[in-house]
Amino acid sequence: DVKVTQSSRYLVKRTGEKVFLECVQDMDHENMFWYRQDPGLGLRLIYFSYDVKMKEKGDIPEGYSVSREKKERFSLILESASTNQTSMYLCASSLPPLRETYEQYFGPGTRLTVT
Amino acid sequence: AQKVTQAQTEISVVEKEDVTLDCVYETRDTTYYLFWYKQPPSGELVFLIRRNSFDEQNEISGRYSWNFQKSTSSFNFTITASQVVDSAVYFCALSERGGSNYKLTFGKGTLLTVNP
Repeated sequence: DVKVTQSSRYLVKRTGEKVFLECVQDMDHENMFWYRQDPGLGLRLIYFSYDVKMKEKGDIPEGYSVSREKKERFSLILESASTNQTSMYLCASSLPPLRETYEQYFGPGTRLTVT
Repeated sequence: AQKVTQAQTEISVVEKEDVTLDCVYETRDTTYYLFWYKQPPSGELVFLIRRNSFDEQNEISGRYSWNFQKSTSSFNFTITASQVVDSAVYFCALSERGGSNYKLTFGKGTLLTVNP
């Protein structure tokens, strides 16, 4: 079974703090993704990566950065947390789209509260 | 741009009823993938099914079935004899194949509540 793990289920941070959210997958997937999920807005893509050290902006990258130094690990960084970044953050991984088993597998999520 | 619409925001049924969750999509590509995910109260999205655009066969898996119709750009999900454990938010998603576009576009989800 594919396993995607996230470093924390719940996190509380103060405005202005630098926040790191870590995601690790154990299936040797090339692609990794960070989403945020908010009520009424569904899932929105923040950043994704299709290879080590490669990244692309998703739909809402402002206020976030990412790091992928190893294939299995994809980090989301909030440089200076703000209250409007309070949300559920979901990490996912997948094989590339040219493979038959192309679905994304998700981690359990991190509920971040910024006060 | 690709788009996924789940018009039903919330559905409430009584156990053992059948329920259909609607999904309508828009894409300009001829090759694409469609997905359904389940998000139970625990929060983790669980992959249910993937369908390729060139495979219009319907699929049945136990109490779950999916009806893919390219003519109406729909990929509907039916739960037969619903159970309380089916209570969750269900997301339909679309991905276009090829190039650097690896992204999924999700619908806003349908909250299904199955009452005992």
